[in-house]
Amino acid sequence: DTEVTQTPKHLVMGMTNKKSLKCEQHMGHRAMYWYKQKAKKPPELMFVYSYEKLSINESVPSRFSPECPNSSLLNLHLHALQPEDSALYLCASSTWTGGGEKLFFGSGTQLSVL
Amino acid sequence: QKEVEQNSGPLSVPEGAIASLNCTYSDRGSQSFFWYRQYSGKSPELIMFIYSNGDKEDGRFTAQLNKASQYVSLLIRDSQPSDSATYLCAVYSGGYQKVTFGIGTKLQVIP
Repeated sequence: DTEVTQTPKHLVMGMTNKKSLKCEQHMGHRAMYWYKQKAKKPPELMFVYSYEKLSINESVPSRFSPECPNSSLLNLHLHALQPEDSALYLCASSTWTGGGEKLFFGSGTQLSVL
Repeated sequence: QKEVEQNSGPLSVPEGAIASLNCTYSDRGSQSFFWYRQYSGKSPELIMFIYSNGDKEDGRFTAQLNKASQYVSLLIRDSQPSDSATYLCAVYSGGYQKVTFGIGTKLQVIP
């Protein structure tokens, strides 16, 4: 199994809603990531979990709350988002190549905030 | 601030030609370099990685690295319309699992 599975694929939410994005991998990778990507822009790193502990938080607003329940699962809890948060949210896991981290991305969640 | 620079394109090549995609990076301590392909509306997919100076070939793809010039490139031989996508250059500079992406070059292969 070489997949990173993300749900849902599409999400529309109002600014007062609470929702969660889910990500799962069964490749035994010990690092998992959340990236945000806007149209015609590169992915921007939000959070990194390494061995189920948060290792990087790229100064993301508190309306985004990550959670890593175990080594295979990663969640991103959303609350009181703004329209400018509309983007493609990508989950990834990684394995060490000997020279760097190879990232494997899920198919993403296209989020629209109304 | 670690930067990865790419020309956003579009780069148009005829079918069967060689497509050459280029990337420069600012951090001399960068250790490894990756090329991801991203089709419109899809997620990035790793196609090549390299961390030693020189060339690395995989099928129709060749990655080239010149650390002295801080330059990495991707050559696609016998380009096909299915190669039309955005190609993201990504650089790992050590530290804690942090990869920096360039803006990506949009490649169009014309039949």
